[in-house]
Amino acid sequence: NAGVTQTPKFQVLKTGQSMTLQCAQDMNHNSMYWYRQDPGMGLRLIYYSASEGTTDKGEVPNGYNVSRLNKREFSLRLESAAPSQTSVYFCASSEAKGGQGARAFFGQGTRLTVV
Amino acid sequence: DQQVKQNSPSLSVQEGRISILNCDYTNSMFDYFLWYKKYPAEGPTFLISISSIKDKNEDGRFTVFLNKSAKHLSLHIVPSQPGDSAVYFCAASGSNYKLTFGKGTLLTVNP
Repeated sequence: NAGVTQTPKFQVLKTGQSMTLQCAQDMNHNSMYWYRQDPGMGLRLIYYSASEGTTDKGEVPNGYNVSRLNKREFSLRLESAAPSQTSVYFCASSEAKGGQGARAFFGQGTRLTVV
Repeated sequence: DQQVKQNSPSLSVQEGRISILNCDYTNSMFDYFLWYKKYPAEGPTFLISISSIKDKNEDGRFTVFLNKSAKHLSLHIVPSQPGDSAVYFCAASGSNYKLTFGKGTLLTVNP
């Protein structure tokens, strides 16, 4: 059972380049999320998708776009990468069940460096 | 404005003793609270959770306590083991199921 799969695991970009981080889940979850983790900042929500066809901004959406391609896939795009976007990016999915709230499952992360 | 706060960046305990990690929240609309554990170079993994209608949830060595009036929750690990050394994140969600995380606490359990 793969769970949440992110690609790539590592990436180095030059300032101004664009790229898309891919995420897929095989748990049939409705909700998917993109977080970034920076030292001393914890996990900050970039965008989330409560269900297929819907997306909403999180805490730090500037410089990013997302696409909920279908129920399984949720991609994060950097149109013009900046050094401030150097971070570790995590994709997650969840399915709220009675009494369990939004228990999310995370991918292994993508370590992105923008030079 | 931080809605979920973990005020201790780090905690060090001896093996076999109790570890207590604390978390405070400001949003009274949160109704579900979770703890995640994260090892370096891995994604966070779910540890334990509690609904706002309860004040305690226990799972083996891990117990989470919720004090709604104080908007405070804590994670107790008894007994602590070296393998518990990791970063622990507190998280909260409301009716939209969006998870808001704290900044994390690095727990080190010394043999």
